[in-house]
Amino acid sequence: EAGVTQFPSHSVIEKGQTVTLRCDPISGHDNLYWYRRVMGKEIKFLLHFVKESKQDESGMPNNRFLAERTGGTYSTLKVQPAELEDSGVYFCASSQDMNGYTFGSGTRLTVV
Amino acid sequence: GESVGLHLPTLSVQEGDNSIINCAYSNSASDYFIWYKQESGKGPQFIIDIRSNMDKRQGQRVTVLLNKTVKHLSLQIAATQPGDSAVYFCAEKYEYGNKLVFGAGTILRVKS
Repeated sequence: EAGVTQFPSHSVIEKGQTVTLRCDPISGHDNLYWYRRVMGKEIKFLLHFVKESKQDESGMPNNRFLAERTGGTYSTLKVQPAELEDSGVYFCASSQDMNGYTFGSGTRLTVV
Repeated sequence: GESVGLHLPTLSVQEGDNSIINCAYSNSASDYFIWYKQESGKGPQFIIDIRSNMDKRQGQRVTVLLNKTVKHLSLQIAATQPGDSAVYFCAEKYEYGNKLVFGAGTILRVKS
């Protein structure tokens, strides 16, 4: 079984630019989550999809962040325009039920 | 606030010794707790979980203890090996909803 795949693994962009992160969950997993870890702090929840619907987006920091999950398969997280404080590692996870999360390896975003 | 915290940011142990990593949580409504291991360049990897109706659960070389009275969670690793070196996160899931709340993480260093 393929795991959760995230792309790219690293991204370095300039302040003000746009970046799109992609997550491919485990096939058949209805639940997809985005988390991020900034500057060695704790991993924080961003949002949760159930299929193509946003179940909980309470962790999204501001309207510069836009998450989509077209057709309930892969998901994208767009940051536009990127700011310095957006630097960190963005993790995606998926699960079939309420538990049993599987995380991807993350995308390390550096905004300069 | 509602958060999960760790007492020790770094733990150094001798190979072969037992390790104990501690975690305090503040939300008494949490019903599910998970320990994750994160190695450099990888995403959080599930180690062991425990539900709030239990106080102890054992896996292979790992044991999780839950003390709801003082809202404390611990991870015990027996016969610690160099491959156990990583950052360890505890996470809690509230009774309602799917998001995980993570602690800041503890670095475990195993000395050979």
